[in-house]
Amino acid sequence: DAGVTQSPTHLIKTRGQHVTLRCSPISGHKSVSWYQQVLGQGPQFIFQYYEKEERGRGNFPDRFSARQFPNYSSELNVNALLLGDSALYLCASSLTSLLAGGYNEQFFGPGTRLTVL
Amino acid sequence: GQSLEQPSEVTAVEGAIVQINCTYQTSGFYGLSWYQQHDGGAPTFLSYNALDGLEETGRFSSFLSRSDSYGYLLLQELQMKDSASYFCAVREFLETNAGKSTFGDGTTLTVKP
Repeated sequence: DAGVTQSPTHLIKTRGQHVTLRCSPISGHKSVSWYQQVLGQGPQFIFQYYEKEERGRGNFPDRFSARQFPNYSSELNVNALLLGDSALYLCASSLTSLLAGGYNEQFFGPGTRLTVL
Repeated sequence: GQSLEQPSEVTAVEGAIVQINCTYQTSGFYGLSWYQQHDGGAPTFLSYNALDGLEETGRFSSFLSRSDSYGYLLLQELQMKDSASYFCAVREFLETNAGKSTFGDGTTLTVKP
């Protein structure tokens, strides 16, 4: 079975530009969460989407937005990029939104490495 | 708010046992999970504790004490490939009937021959 896939793997942008990152969850998983991981830190929660609805939002500015499509894939959009947005962006999928562990665990994709110059 | 504390670095030798501690302060807590992440890789789920006590999965075990807001990951029979970063993450309920994971900053484990 294919795991969580993300594209692109690497991306270089300049300040002020916008970026769209894509994620395809594991087949059958209906929930997608996005995380930002800055070097030397743990992943920080950005969004969770379940059944195409936003179920959770972390402490990120409105420049960050996301959506989930009918096939449960998801996009993360970041506008007006800042140098501080340089990070590894991780997508995680799970069966449902509750992340109760065991069969309902979240599985991470390989991430998109975003560099803002 | 939520906060988790874990040691930044731990070093051990092959074959040894190492314990990585995690203390947390959070609201809406319903579980503690552990992830492993190799350099440049994705976090990989190791274990999850919803109830107090010890969960064992092969060479890895995880413990939770809800009353002490404390947990640990125990790695036995260390191998060189266990060199990685280890994150504890608190699971919290959201009002939207969803769950959210808040991660610690990770513990870098170095296994030496």
